[in-house]
Amino acid sequence: GPKVLQIPSHQIIDMGQMVTLNCDPVSNHLYFYWYKQILGQQMEFLVNFYNGKVMEKSKLFKDQFSVERPDGSYFTLKIQPTALEDSAVYFCASSGGQENTLYFGAGTRLSVL
Amino acid sequence: GQQVQQSPASLVLQEGENAELQCNFSTSLNSMQWFYQRPGGSLVSLFYNPSGTKHSGRLTSTTVIKERRSSLHISSSQTTDSGTYLCALEGGSAKLIFGEGTKLTVSS
Repeated sequence: GPKVLQIPSHQIIDMGQMVTLNCDPVSNHLYFYWYKQILGQQMEFLVNFYNGKVMEKSKLFKDQFSVERPDGSYFTLKIQPTALEDSAVYFCASSGGQENTLYFGAGTRLSVL
Repeated sequence: GQQVQQSPASLVLQEGENAELQCNFSTSLNSMQWFYQRPGGSLVSLFYNPSGTKHSGRLTSTTVIKERRSSLHISSSQTTDSGTYLCALEGGSAKLIFGEGTKLTVSS
């Protein structure tokens, strides 16, 4: 089936550093999403993105977070600066096919030390 | 409170037994999706089911909008079915709201 690729699969950084998580969505999809899942906890919505703009963001999407998809390339989530509580798995998703089904990537495990 | 509630939180079965997983929601529904989350964390879409019943192999999903519930039935469970099953609701704002999941363990 359609695949969403996330790079890297695991990122370890020091608190205060900047990190960029990359997502290669399904090629004909138009809507893009980031979700956050702390180990053993619920999957939580961060932000969705359409036509070059953020449509909606949750209160988890702090001021230190930003998203973009320059020139149709990777859809990225940037965190600057990172904090310890940002440690989690971040899942990218895209939709826009026939049934508006969301397809998820395998996640990027972010460890902030 | 929680807009999407799943039950049970965990379920332990012997191989060959059937499983019935429930998802109840308190908000309006545009679509319902069921996912399987592997122990390693990646998500697999099982069903996109805004209403009615859908079948896929040993899996059946039924969504009844007026009763604000959706269910996932797994027949003849196998050890490889072990993992977490998530339901997610899209209520009209182009985002999915997830339940907390049902952790299924199938032993041989």
